[in-house]
Amino acid sequence: EAGVAQSPRYKIIEKRQSVAFWCNPISGHATLYWYQQILGQGPKLLIQFQNNGVVDDSQLPKDRFSAERLKGVDSTLKIQPAKLEDSAVYLCASSHSQERKNIQYFGAGTRLSVL
Amino acid sequence: AQKVTQAQTEISVVEKEDVTLDCVYETRDTTYYLFWYKQPPSGELVFLIRRNSFDEQNEISGRYSWNFQKSTSSFNFTITASQVVDSAVYFCALSGGGSTLGRLYFGRGTQLTVWP
Repeated sequence: EAGVAQSPRYKIIEKRQSVAFWCNPISGHATLYWYQQILGQGPKLLIQFQNNGVVDDSQLPKDRFSAERLKGVDSTLKIQPAKLEDSAVYLCASSHSQERKNIQYFGAGTRLSVL
Repeated sequence: AQKVTQAQTEISVVEKEDVTLDCVYETRDTTYYLFWYKQPPSGELVFLIRRNSFDEQNEISGRYSWNFQKSTSSFNFTITASQVVDSAVYFCALSGGGSTLGRLYFGRGTQLTVWP
């Protein structure tokens, strides 16, 4: 079974530029999560989707971050404009909505450097 | 509020030593779930174990064992006879019940280095 796929693996941009990350969850997983992991810290949830609806986006800085999950499968996370403090690894995770509900399986992440 | 504390930032051991990673949690939920994840240098978080708040039985899986004690709000992880491949950052995480089910609250992680 294929795992959670993310791209790109690395991205370097200058502050005030825009960037987008893509995630493809494990097939059949209805719940999708985006986490931000700053160096030396544990991941922090940004947004949670159930199918194509948002369940929790309370920690998402909505003035610059946006996310969508059209058709309830793939998802994109966008930052516009980026700030220096957005430098982090962005992790996508998915979980099955029915079985073992809150075991989340993670992708390898996208490492963002904002210069 | 949910909180996870991993007081050990870094641990170094020599191969074949046993090592215990500590995890202390805080929650007001009566139903909650505790997790351990491993993050190797490749960056992907690998699921190791999930326990629910009603199951305090210790668990053993090969060289890995977990000790869950509600009385001390701890969920410690022991690796027996450590190997170089165990080198990674290990995260303890908590998920509350009810409306917050799904969101994982992570500790800051413990960097484990196993020397040959």
